Amino acid sequence: DTGVSQNPRHKITKRGQNVTFRCDPISEHNRLYWYRQTLGQGPEFLTYFQNEAQLEKSRLLSDRFSAERPKGSFSTLEIQRTEQGDSAMYLCASSLGGGPTGEQYFGPGTRLTVT
Amino acid sequence: AQKVTQAQTEISVVEKEDVTLDCVYETRDTTYYLFWYKQPPSGELVFLIRRNSFDEQNEISGRYSWNFQKSTSSFNFTITASQVVDSAVYFCALITNTGNQFYFGTGTSLTVIP
Repeated sequence: DTGVSQNPRHKITKRGQNVTFRCDPISEHNRLYWYRQTLGQGPEFLTYFQNEAQLEKSRLLSDRFSAERPKGSFSTLEIQRTEQGDSAMYLCASSLGGGPTGEQYFGPGTRLTVT
Repeated sequence: AQKVTQAQTEISVVEKEDVTLDCVYETRDTTYYLFWYKQPPSGELVFLIRRNSFDEQNEISGRYSWNFQKSTSSFNFTITASQVVDSAVYFCALITNTGNQFYFGTGTSLTVIP
C-alpha cells in the first residue's frame, strides 16, 4: 500500500497524559497536513509542512500541541497534558507540488479518546 | 474569511434515485479551488474532484456530475442512479490561492437504501 499511513489507528489515554501520533505520507509528496475531525464535523486544519518546514499553524493548535517533520518525510503530532476536549480523529494528508491547491491524499486517521 | 456551508446534514434515497448534494462557499479571493471528498464508513477521505474558480464548466464522471455556479457561489454534486456503495459522508472544501489550508463544510451524510 503506497498511500498515506497513520499510526496508531486508535489511542485511548487518560487525561493529563502525553500522546504522539505518526504520519507517513506518500513518498514523493513534499507537503504534509494535519487536521482534526470531531463527530459530525468536517476536518479542521491544524498545521502544514512543506518539506521539513512548518509553514502554517492554526490557532486551534494550542501550545500543548506540537508537530514535527524532521527530515521532510514522516511527521509526528504530539499532544501534551491531554484534555477530554482533545478526543477526536486526527487526520494526516499529503500532496505534491509547488502550490497548496493540489489534491490532498488523506490517511485513515488516528482516533484519540481521552478518558 | 473563507467558509463552506453544506446545509443538508443527512439525506436518504432509495437505490437508483438521483440525489444532489449542495455546497455554498464564501471567499473574497478571486482565485480559489473547490473540492469534493467522500468519507465512507471506513473513515478515509477519498478525493472526488477539484475545480478552480476560472473554470465554470460542469463536469461529468460516470454517475457523478458537478455544477459550479460562481453567480450563486455554489458547487453542487449530483449522483445519478445512486447505489448502496454511494452511502458515505460527502464533504465540500475550499482553498484559496493565497492560503495553505482547506476549509471543509460540515458534510452531508448520504444513505442509499436498497
